[in-house]
Amino acid sequence: GNSVTQMEGPVTLSEEAFLTINCTYTATGYPSLFWYVQYPGEGLQLLLKATKADDKGSNKGFEATYRKETTSFHLEKGSVQVSDSAVYFCAFFSGGYNKLIFGAGTRLAVHP
Amino acid sequence: EAGVTQFPSHSVIEKGQTVTLRCDPISGHDNLYWYRRVMGKEIKFLLHFVKESKQDESGMPNNRFLAERTGGTYSTLKVQPAELEDSGVYFCASSSERGGSETQYFGPGTRLLVL
Repeated sequence: GNSVTQMEGPVTLSEEAFLTINCTYTATGYPSLFWYVQYPGEGLQLLLKATKADDKGSNKGFEATYRKETTSFHLEKGSVQVSDSAVYFCAFFSGGYNKLIFGAGTRLAVHP
Repeated sequence: EAGVTQFPSHSVIEKGQTVTLRCDPISGHDNLYWYRRVMGKEIKFLLHFVKESKQDESGMPNNRFLAERTGGTYSTLKVQPAELEDSGVYFCASSSERGGSETQYFGPGTRLLVL
């Protein structure tokens, strides 16, 4: 069935370190892919998205590339900041069902 | 433009009680969704409204959950009677179009704790 697998957290990094959060999905067809972020005490915010194979979504220094061959959408950032500390959710839009399928979330903690 | 709002932000109730959560979507958004995150697990779909009609309620856990969207504007999600396993964060989202690349805009969530 449809599902998203994310790397387990927490991920703890020093400021300015390189970040990768792995995400793979199981879906029929070629769904749109998303990364959502939840900062402490706030709701879910769309971070970036990609709608077709080889598309790269980017925002706030974060990037993720839609890899059809590996069904992956890994999130990367070259230099993290303390303010990036949050929970990151990978998701895809289930075609024909009009709903998002989420992963379990990955907590990122960045320390000075 | 105001975003999706949810009320209350937190609710603590005892097992067996009733709780009603409210969601106000972005004005003009016909699609309204409810999701839930339990115990740090994945966020799961509960149901989807298009205007006032339930389009898909396949994610509703059981008949203790009742969702309504009167007049196609705000929505309520009632849990009656609440059980311990209902604890979690309930998110509401809205969007303006149907389709594969639509962006859903989420509210801040309601944190429900059932004791």
